Amino acid sequence: AQSVTQPDIHITVSEGASLELRCNYSYGATPYLFWYVQSPGQGLQLLLKYFSGDTLVQGIKGFEAEFKRSQSSFNLRKPSVHWSDAAEYFCAVRGYGNEKLTFGTGTRLTIIP
Amino acid sequence: EAQVTQNPRYLITVTGKKLTVTCSQNMNHEYMSWYRQDPGLGLRQIYYSMNVEVTDKGDVPEGYKVSRKEKRNFPLILESPSPNQTSLYFCASRGGTSGRTETQYFGPGTRLLVL
Repeated sequence: AQSVTQPDIHITVSEGASLELRCNYSYGATPYLFWYVQSPGQGLQLLLKYFSGDTLVQGIKGFEAEFKRSQSSFNLRKPSVHWSDAAEYFCAVRGYGNEKLTFGTGTRLTIIP
Repeated sequence: EAQVTQNPRYLITVTGKKLTVTCSQNMNHEYMSWYRQDPGLGLRQIYYSMNVEVTDKGDVPEGYKVSRKEKRNFPLILESPSPNQTSLYFCASRGGTSGRTETQYFGPGTRLLVL
């Protein structure tokens, strides 16, 4: 069965500092991987996705993520966070030809001035 | 404007009273899904549909039904709601071939309280 682990429930970062959110997945074959963001009281927005090829994926809002097959990880990074990045972030995995999408439990990001 | 709409946005009901949450997309997408979001559990997939009349169970289908009679609509049915179905529900759709060209959209959510 596929699964996603986001080990950090809550992370606090100073505005302007760099950010890395961790995601580990379990899937038997090559996965499709996603990062979503949910601002307070809002729906979900896709930040970026990995399907194949280049393991460093660029997304919206200055985010990037790196797929590391050997570590079963897909960590999200941003070099300099802004106060508007405060939100909850979800990592998700899906298989090829498969509509079953499994989310992690999320990481809540707080930005301090 | 491309969008996924859900109705109602907020609903309070009582145990056992059948309800339907509608979901509609205007993008001619083949794939649609329903999720519930609960604190500390993230989003969990309830059901998904790969096309008209093609549906399958996600991770938490118990207590829910779906139908896909038209491509644009994917209603979620709770035949006999119980308090443990109190949650925030999201509908989603995606189009394009799986992979780089696919696009995904989530609805705004439906907050359900079952008393």
